Amino acid sequence: GQQLNQSPQSMFIQEGEDVSMNCTSSSIFNTWLWYKQDPGEGPVLLIALYKAGELTSNGRLTAQFGITRKDSFLNISASIPSDVGIYFCAGHLNNAGNMLTFGGGTRLMVKP
Amino acid sequence: SQTIHQWPATLVQPVGSPLSLECTVEGTSNPNLYWYRQAAGRGLQLLFYSVGIGQISSEVPQNLSASRPQDRQFILSSKKLLLSDSGFYLCAWSVLRGGRRVLPETQYFGPGTRLLVL
Repeated sequence: GQQLNQSPQSMFIQEGEDVSMNCTSSSIFNTWLWYKQDPGEGPVLLIALYKAGELTSNGRLTAQFGITRKDSFLNISASIPSDVGIYFCAGHLNNAGNMLTFGGGTRLMVKP
Repeated sequence: SQTIHQWPATLVQPVGSPLSLECTVEGTSNPNLYWYRQAAGRGLQLLFYSVGIGQISSEVPQNLSASRPQDRQFILSSKKLLLSDSGFYLCAWSVLRGGRRVLPETQYFGPGTRLLVL
């Protein structure tokens, strides 16, 4: 099936540092979504991107829909301990009905 | 506003026993509904999705089944659990038709059910 390559797989950073993660694919997506999953809970939608080139912020989070429609990145500025969790990207292909393709996740650990 | 519930939160079952996990959505009508499984430390695997009552599509052949007896209720079942069925089961919903800024492919997840098969 379709693959989303999400990197890095894990990050261990110091509180206050900025974080960047991305997802890439060989396929063209028409929607990109970013989710955060806290331990033992369901993923929560952070940002939804619906147009190529779109740059959207949600507090300290910023995500962009790549102009080629094959990639997206998520940045977190000034990380805090509660940013700990697994971040997933998800993309929607035009011929996929309502199905999403998920990346493998980026596990973020923040040292106070 | 819409909310999604999953029950139970945690379940420990012996191998060979039956399974029934429930997902209900409030605050929306005619949602698309999804069941995912997440192995420990891994990504999400789509198991089933439903676009309406009694309409179930299976993505992965296995000993699990799904049913949608009511518009906002989605049930995941098994007649005989296997050890490999252990995992974190997530239900999700999306709108049937998009609005101005919410498209049908935007999915919202429930809190999950952790299943341990021994």
